[in-house]
Amino acid sequence: AQSVTQLGSHVSVSEGALVLLRCNYSSSVPPYLFWYVQYPNQGLQLLLKYTTGATLVKGINGFEAEFKKSETSFHLTKPSAHMSDAAEYFCAVDSSYKLIFGSGTRLLVRP
Amino acid sequence: EADIYQTPRYLVIGTGKKITLECSQTMGHDKMYWYQQDPGMELHLIHYSYGVNSTEKGDLSSESTVSRIRTEHFPLTLESARPSHTSQYLCASISQRGFHEQYFGPGTRLTVT
Repeated sequence: AQSVTQLGSHVSVSEGALVLLRCNYSSSVPPYLFWYVQYPNQGLQLLLKYTTGATLVKGINGFEAEFKKSETSFHLTKPSAHMSDAAEYFCAVDSSYKLIFGSGTRLLVRP
Repeated sequence: EADIYQTPRYLVIGTGKKITLECSQTMGHDKMYWYQQDPGMELHLIHYSYGVNSTEKGDLSSESTVSRIRTEHFPLTLESARPSHTSQYLCASISQRGFHEQYFGPGTRLTVT
């Protein structure tokens, strides 16, 4: 069965610092992987996705993620955090048209 | 990008009442989903549909029911609301042209008193 693990329920960074949110997955087949962001009282917005091809995926708002098959990881990064990045972030893997979500990471950005 | 609408956005209702949460999408997507999101953030799939007159239960057992009479409409119903149903409910659908990415509505935050 596929699963997703997000390390760290809360991550706190200073404005301008590197953002690194960790995601590991388990999948018996080549995975489709996703990162979503959720702002307060809103639904989830797709940040980026990995399907096939290039392992470094660029998304919206300056985020990117790298698919590493050997490490079964899909960590999300952003070189310089902005106050507006404060939100909940979810990693997910596709399981036959159903998404398996991680438990989420709350990103706090300190001024 | 898909347009998915959920109404109401917020609902406070008393125990025992029947409620229906509405979800509609305008893109003609065949596959639609309902998730329940607890205050601790984790999302759980409670229902999904792969087309008209097709509905399935998700991974998390739920006392709610769904129907899919029209492609664009996927309402969720609670026959008798209880405080344990207090949660956020998110609706989503998949684009036929994409790679299984789901597009989400804004959610309904339900409080049962």
